[in-house]
Amino acid sequence: SQWGEENLQALSIQEGEDVTMNCSYKTYTTVVQWYRQKSGKGPAQLILIRSNEREKRSGRLRATLDTSSQSSSLSITGTLATDTAVYFCATRNYAQGLTFGLGTRVSVFP
Amino acid sequence: EAAVTQSPRNKVTVTGGNVTLSCRQTNSHNYMYWYRQDTGHGLRLIHYSYGAGNLQIGDVPDGYKATRTTQEDFFLLLELASPSQTSLYFCASSEDSAEQFFGPGTRLTVL
Repeated sequence: SQWGEENLQALSIQEGEDVTMNCSYKTYTTVVQWYRQKSGKGPAQLILIRSNEREKRSGRLRATLDTSSQSSSLSITGTLATDTAVYFCATRNYAQGLTFGLGTRVSVFP
Repeated sequence: EAAVTQSPRNKVTVTGGNVTLSCRQTNSHNYMYWYRQDTGHGLRLIHYSYGAGNLQIGDVPDGYKATRTTQEDFFLLLELASPSQTSLYFCASSEDSAEQFFGPGTRLTVL
């Protein structure tokens, strides 16, 4: 697997709190993408961070990439109930498709 | 307007059955992909294509065929369906191999 061994993680938080999720990857990549999947829907990209970027922001989202430790994080500030979803990190693999991590299930309660 | 559509949305078949899953994209993207999503495994790439008539194997291609008939249409074929192919299938498209746009998924049950 491209990704470190992990189970699907689950986080439950209250609206307004901040949340950070992490993932690590095994092989070199130039791009890490973060996707969100809401119940009954396909994944949708949130943010893409390249190997020459340490941090990338988009609205309430902040992604970091540490190529030396081969890890990435996604933070959401001021969570809303609508942020409830599964969040995946993904890298581009040799086959030009994406290799996804198992994801973090985030439940935001009002 | 949804840019990636899949049909059917749900399908039940029996072991040994013949199933075709359809995907159409209106993004004018060159790349199209088929993934399956299973608990404990996440999303895994089955096949992908970078243009009409082209087909590339992904990470879990066994038991699956695919055809890309036009730039818009990509089909996944299960000619002898098995219970292990019970899964949620997603199609996606991309301009290159960066951001991918996913369809709503097809839930397949093989009895």
